[in-house]
Amino acid sequence: DAGVTQSPTHLIKTRGQQVTLRCSPKSGHDTVSWYQQALGQGPQFIFQYYEEEERQRGNFPDRFSGHQFPNYSSELNVNALLLGDSALYLCASSLGLAGETDTQYFGPGTRLTVL
Amino acid sequence: QKEVEQDPGPLSVPEGAIVSLNCTYSNSAFQYFMWYRQYSRKGPELLMYTYSSGNKEDGRFTAQVDKSSKYISLFIRDSQPSDSATYLCAMRAMGSSNTGKLIFGQGTTLQVKP
Repeated sequence: DAGVTQSPTHLIKTRGQQVTLRCSPKSGHDTVSWYQQALGQGPQFIFQYYEEEERQRGNFPDRFSGHQFPNYSSELNVNALLLGDSALYLCASSLGLAGETDTQYFGPGTRLTVL
Repeated sequence: QKEVEQDPGPLSVPEGAIVSLNCTYSNSAFQYFMWYRQYSRKGPELLMYTYSSGNKEDGRFTAQVDKSSKYISLFIRDSQPSDSATYLCAMRAMGSSNTGKLIFGQGTTLQVKP
């Protein structure tokens, strides 16, 4: 049973560039959430996708956008990169929105470094 | 003030010790409480999931929730060197508008020495 996978593992970009991160959910899951984890901090919720639509959003600027595909995989796009965007980006998958037990399973993350 | 406060540690204990990890929170709407374990440069792994107040036990791990005090704990019995990791508490409120929006603590770094 494949867990949550993310690509790439590491990424180095320069300020002002754009980046796309990818996530495949755990088998059987249809909901994807994205988090940003700065060094020494807990993850911060960016947004959640279900049925190819953004359903929830955290306190992140519009430079952060996403997409979900019919196969439930998802992309996170960040435009106009800032030094402060350097972090571990985590994808978590779960099943549905209606249940109260939407246990989230995390992938290994993509480490983004902005120079 | 952060919604969830967690002492970052580091916490160092000898092998076999009982470990107590704690989080406090300010949002009384939180109903679901989780503990994740995160090894260095890896994604968080779900350890315990608790709804509302009470205790839950799973092997060497016990999670406690005291909603009246807005305080949650994770106890690890007979700690092992393999338990050395960062432990993150996470929580969320009820309702479809909060589904998926986990609020995490800063994480506590634990080292278990052989």
